[in-house]
Amino acid sequence: GAGVSQSPSNKVTEKGKDVELRCDPISGHTALYWYRQRLGQGLEFLIYFQGNSAPDKSGLPSDRFSAERTGESVSTLTIQRTQQEDSAVYLCASSFRQGKSYTFGSGTRLTVV
Amino acid sequence: AQKITQTQPGMFVQEKEAVTLDCTYDTSDQSYGLFWYKQPSSGEMIFLIYQGSYDEQNATEGRYSLNFQKARKSANLVISASQLGDSAMYFCAMREGSPGSARQLTFGSGTQLTVLP
Repeated sequence: GAGVSQSPSNKVTEKGKDVELRCDPISGHTALYWYRQRLGQGLEFLIYFQGNSAPDKSGLPSDRFSAERTGESVSTLTIQRTQQEDSAVYLCASSFRQGKSYTFGSGTRLTVV
Repeated sequence: AQKITQTQPGMFVQEKEAVTLDCTYDTSDQSYGLFWYKQPSSGEMIFLIYQGSYDEQNATEGRYSLNFQKARKSANLVISASQLGDSAMYFCAMREGSPGSARQLTFGSGTQLTVLP
């Protein structure tokens, strides 16, 4: 597609439920990134995929968070047993392997009630 | 230590005037890249400008220029002739390592710019 596509755009879930967020990167972009942005704050890095290399999971805040990516295409971010502090906008970005341009999706706004 | 520091939580500028948004960074890598993004109230992240650590000239993109001072580890964004539509949150970010690594960006806390009519 022309841009990075994220779905759903909004998700309201009950505390304790699992959620899956989806990111469809720009075709041909080998690198994919997940970020979390809490209200009024900056972007926190969560996880980074680059081609077939092992992902960099150093930003995941707890073992309730995990992500997968199939090849160089779609990625899903899964949050298990959601907590209220997980409420945030989750942004996905992708990049071609030149590291000079990172394109962001519109994000998924997650609200845990 | 913070890798990206933006010391101005909020800035005001009069329409048609220039404004400088400050950004300092910290890295031990010789190769790195510096970025500025704009985030309007709609929430999208809009790429503005990129500066590579080995680029000899300051980057410019239309009304945006990056004042890169390597020895001081600063990468300030200058917006000339401010417009009302420039009102937004602005984030400075850094990629450590060579461009080909395409490693993740580290972001600062942002500066909320308000352009006054």
